[in-house]
Amino acid sequence: EAQVTQNPRYLITVTGKKLTVTCSQNMNHEYMSWYRQDPGLGLRQIYYSMNVEATDKGDVPEGYKVSRKEKRNFPLILESPSPNQTSLYFCASSFNPPSSPYEQYFGPGTRLTVT
Amino acid sequence: SQKIEQNSEALNIQEGKTATLTCNYTNYSPAYLQWYRQDPGRGPVFLLLIRENEKEKRKERLKVTFDTTLKQSLFHITASQPADSATYLCALDIANSGNTPLVFGKGTRLSVIA
Repeated sequence: EAQVTQNPRYLITVTGKKLTVTCSQNMNHEYMSWYRQDPGLGLRQIYYSMNVEATDKGDVPEGYKVSRKEKRNFPLILESPSPNQTSLYFCASSFNPPSSPYEQYFGPGTRLTVT
Repeated sequence: SQKIEQNSEALNIQEGKTATLTCNYTNYSPAYLQWYRQDPGRGPVFLLLIRENEKEKRKERLKVTFDTTLKQSLFHITASQPADSATYLCALDIANSGNTPLVFGKGTRLSVIA
């Protein structure tokens, strides 16, 4: 089954404790992206990757890191999480970069709470 | 500043009627526009894509229009059903306008009442 998977689905952590949210897709997509979704603010892009070893900042990259060492994986790293990073996070992938008209496939989401 | 607006945060409609959702944008010249459906706590799911040179696109009970002069897209659900209740998001390709390829509106929460 074609899908984007994220782990963990739920995470409660404390300020400053490094964490990684994994994202994996099995569709051989070049493009992958991370979004956060907050009430009243909608979906905002954190980072995206056009292909392996090619990452770029989105609208809200501060406090986040990403890496793209393999085509299928795109982990999101919070080196020192803070309460304002409490949010619902989505990973997405598409067959080609969105500058080409292809739909994005979204993962199920990771609900992160930082206390 | 760059902006995408979806007409209302919430829209209530009676079953069987046509729901019309609006997506307006400023300061962009998108090559295409997409519509997604999102159910509570779940990831968005792609519905339709329309290119700048297309006026209208249809898929079953869904219809999307794209007016690049008005900078507006309309999303219609005909013969709406309670199962259509969800949040609908429009998304623009802004590859010509900045470093973020795809930007989403905040969404319109549609409730179809039986």
